[in-house]
Amino acid sequence: QQPVQSPQAVILREGEDAVINCSSSKALYSVHWYRQKHGEAPVFLMILLKGGEQKGHEKISASFNEKKQQSSLYLTASQLSYSGTYFCGTEKAAGNKLTFGGGTRVLVKP
Amino acid sequence: EAQVTQNPRYLITVTGKKLTVTCSQNMNHEYMSWYRQDPGLGLRQIYYSMNVEVTDKGDVPEGYKVSRKEKRNFPLILESPSPNQTSLYFCASSLWGYTEAFFGQGTRLTVV
Repeated sequence: QQPVQSPQAVILREGEDAVINCSSSKALYSVHWYRQKHGEAPVFLMILLKGGEQKGHEKISASFNEKKQQSSLYLTASQLSYSGTYFCGTEKAAGNKLTFGGGTRVLVKP
Repeated sequence: EAQVTQNPRYLITVTGKKLTVTCSQNMNHEYMSWYRQDPGLGLRQIYYSMNVEVTDKGDVPEGYKVSRKEKRNFPLILESPSPNQTSLYFCASSLWGYTEAFFGQGTRLTVV
């Protein structure tokens, strides 16, 4: 079952913050985050394994709440380069099927 | 250069004509997978392979076949393509399933 991402889209001004949520109804082993720019392939941001670990990539960080089966991606002090579509992917077991959410479109304006 | 290479990049074909999209990686990765991407539906996994000779269905395997005879190659086969398989396809590889995935450039397939 596909994880649910929210919001579907967000528009930011440069320097503003945003949060993207990813929720699953199933117990998860890991949550993966990718960003895809228009006309390009998805690019890896980070993976969170069960254990509630928080990770970071530049000014983008994420958390994983194992009890709620929810992950959040935090875009801090957004830059123009953060524009794109963000996907979360979830695994129920290591090396298993990876199921992506529908994506969140982010547009950062000057 | 470490990369995942898909061919062809663009393909227009007719209903029922068998086709193969190739995927090759040079990173000695164990895990490979295929996705299709359609507007509003995100990335949906078609098949994945945890290692050589081991493949399993993803979320949308109907109408597709794969094989993993060598570690580096993971071709996607459409035995009898139909218009509803018109989509953008991505191949990806990672060291293991729960590690960073590297995506190919994508193959835009149109079935008429």
